[in-house]
Amino acid sequence: SQTIHQWPATLVQPVGSPLSLECTVEGTSNPNLYWYRQAAGRGLQLLFYSVGIGQISSEVPQNLSASRPQDRQFILSSKKLLLSDSGFYLCASGTTDSGNTIYFGEGSWLTVV
Amino acid sequence: GDSVTQMEGPVTLSEEAFLTINCTYTATGYPSLFWYVQYPGEGLQLLLKATKADDKGSNKGFEATYRKETTSFHLEKGSVQVSDSAVYFCALGGSNYKLTFGKGTLLTVNP
Repeated sequence: SQTIHQWPATLVQPVGSPLSLECTVEGTSNPNLYWYRQAAGRGLQLLFYSVGIGQISSEVPQNLSASRPQDRQFILSSKKLLLSDSGFYLCASGTTDSGNTIYFGEGSWLTVV
Repeated sequence: GDSVTQMEGPVTLSEEAFLTINCTYTATGYPSLFWYVQYPGEGLQLLLKATKADDKGSNKGFEATYRKETTSFHLEKGSVQVSDSAVYFCALGGSNYKLTFGKGTLLTVNP
């Protein structure tokens, strides 16, 4: 199965500062990649997904952006963080030949202060 | 569009009790169905899955059967342990590379 590495695990950032969360995947090639956010409570919100290098689809309008510079690398960014960007961010990876099974990284806790 | 409805809980049980977490779905076509588990402070782990009608997914004593006639995928375990305390998510995988998740069910198992 796939292994998803995600970092940093925890960060505290001031309002207005930039953000970069990085995710890399091992054990597969040409995966579909995803960024989810889990705010207070438990629900998962899909932010971005990518089916290939340079191909990014945004699910919701927001203060964030995503990029996929390499096949197994997915980056979540912001130029200026808002308080509302605080949450638990999860990178995920899946392939269509695995029956749409998606595997998740360990997550990154972001607190904007 | 696709949607998943699961009992939101929270669910509190005593150790060795029987667990059921209900999950129903709405989808076009023939989706795959999943249960994920999230332990405190961690990411989601795939617990089990089923890819076609009447399939039964099972893992770690948990089971769920893909019921097309009732559009359901209920999670069951015969005897829960304290270590099963977590949030459980039901999810549906359609043809668009994305999973649709339920809102999660918090399970607490007391000794």
